[in-house]
Amino acid sequence: QQQVKQSPQSLIVQKGGISIINCAYENTAFDYFPWYQQFPGKGPALLIAIRPDVSEKKEGRFTISFNKSAKQFSLHIMDSQPGDSATYFCAASRLNQTGANNLFFGTGTRLTVIP
Amino acid sequence: KAGVTQTPRYLIKTRGQQVTLSCSPISGHRSVSWYQQTPGQGLQFLFEYFSETQRNKGNFPGRFSGRQFSNSRSEMNVSTLELGDSALYLCASSLEERTTDTQYFGPGTRLTVL
Repeated sequence: QQQVKQSPQSLIVQKGGISIINCAYENTAFDYFPWYQQFPGKGPALLIAIRPDVSEKKEGRFTISFNKSAKQFSLHIMDSQPGDSATYFCAASRLNQTGANNLFFGTGTRLTVIP
Repeated sequence: KAGVTQTPRYLIKTRGQQVTLSCSPISGHRSVSWYQQTPGQGLQFLFEYFSETQRNKGNFPGRFSGRQFSNSRSEMNVSTLELGDSALYLCASSLEERTTDTQYFGPGTRLTVL
């Protein structure tokens, strides 16, 4: 079953607009929530990440909003640019009994920013 | 510092064959994780190695296996290939013992099974 649910599947935004991608999870043991950006032909690259002890984290034009009680988190891209056109994945992780972690990914959002 | 490298970048195999994919982590990184990416299932965790030991394994059949060498390089093997194994296989490395905080992905190996 999908441990992290992501929406929308695709998103088209005008240049300068705000792109918003949402994710939801069920497992309250998750304690790390990263967002990855993937361009065609490339592997995912870490964009920004948050831990549940804060409600918001901002890095440049990218902001994560985290709602622990609702078990939801979202990525906001301000002043979206054509160069932001990529697929975005949210993810969540938890520490398991062996001390290892693995990332559970959302299904991805293909963002297209129109000039 | 060089990033994560994966070889080969593209591979075409036929059903029933086996395949070995290679991953060289960033220098100094000791943790290597493998993921399978498909349009239908998205990114799914295969397994993770740290200091030559498999610490975690995803929900994949036993045909999928891996190992890590003393220099942290890792290989994954898929035996008796099936059409559904066609995917992009991604390797990620991490410096820290806790793998998630700083995972760096390679460009992937595109496997096509005919």
